[in-house]
Amino acid sequence: EVQLVESGGGLVQRGGSLRLSCAVSGFTFSSFSMNWVRQTPGKGLEWVSYINGAGTTTYYADSVKGRFTVSRDNAKQSLFLQMNSLRAEDTGVYYCTRGLPTWFDYWGQGNLVSVSS
Amino acid sequence: EIVMTQSPTTLSVSPGERATLSCRASQSVFNLAWYQQKAGQAPRLLIYGASTRATGIPARFSGSGSGTDFTLTISSLQSEDFAVYFCQQYNDWPLTFGGGTKVEIK
Repeated sequence: EVQLVESGGGLVQRGGSLRLSCAVSGFTFSSFSMNWVRQTPGKGLEWVSYINGAGTTTYYADSVKGRFTVSRDNAKQSLFLQMNSLRAEDTGVYYCTRGLPTWFDYWGQGNLVSVSS
Repeated sequence: EIVMTQSPTTLSVSPGERATLSCRASQSVFNLAWYQQKAGQAPRLLIYGASTRATGIPARFSGSGSGTDFTLTISSLQSEDFAVYFCQQYNDWPLTFGGGTKVEIK
């Protein structure tokens, strides 16, 4: 059974940092690209970042470029999102998703990130 | 950026009736997916490639369209189908979603 379990969200002050993690099981992690997608009150569903299976290629939404970094540890079957210089508009639920490679067949349960001003 | 526009915002339908949801892209796309989201849950993939049902998705869900205009049809609404539906283009970066259509009980 495919499972994606996110962790690391919470409340942070504007300008602060958070690191999201996504632990996966039930498939060969290194064979799949992964994406982060967020759902915010202001923009609805918004794609955030992409990383290929080997971890050698990444893409970001313009709204997070230069502030967020996606990475993965294939040995530990884990995906990460380092979020720096957080803004109020980054508040939302962040989903870890498996990509095929750029549509999403499995989603995690979501992790709430709240940025206070 | 390719802007995805969904209509209507809300669709009121009686159980057993047909629902037709629209998604329009600001430029031609070849790759489109549809997702269903119920309250408090993550989205679930319904359709990819504009018309291919994902694994386990009932046949009452069908996708059609090409270019800039796409449609998701639910042939006979069941109680579990009342939810919000999103389209997503994966033709170009950045990947973008529509604003969603809420299908509610009439």
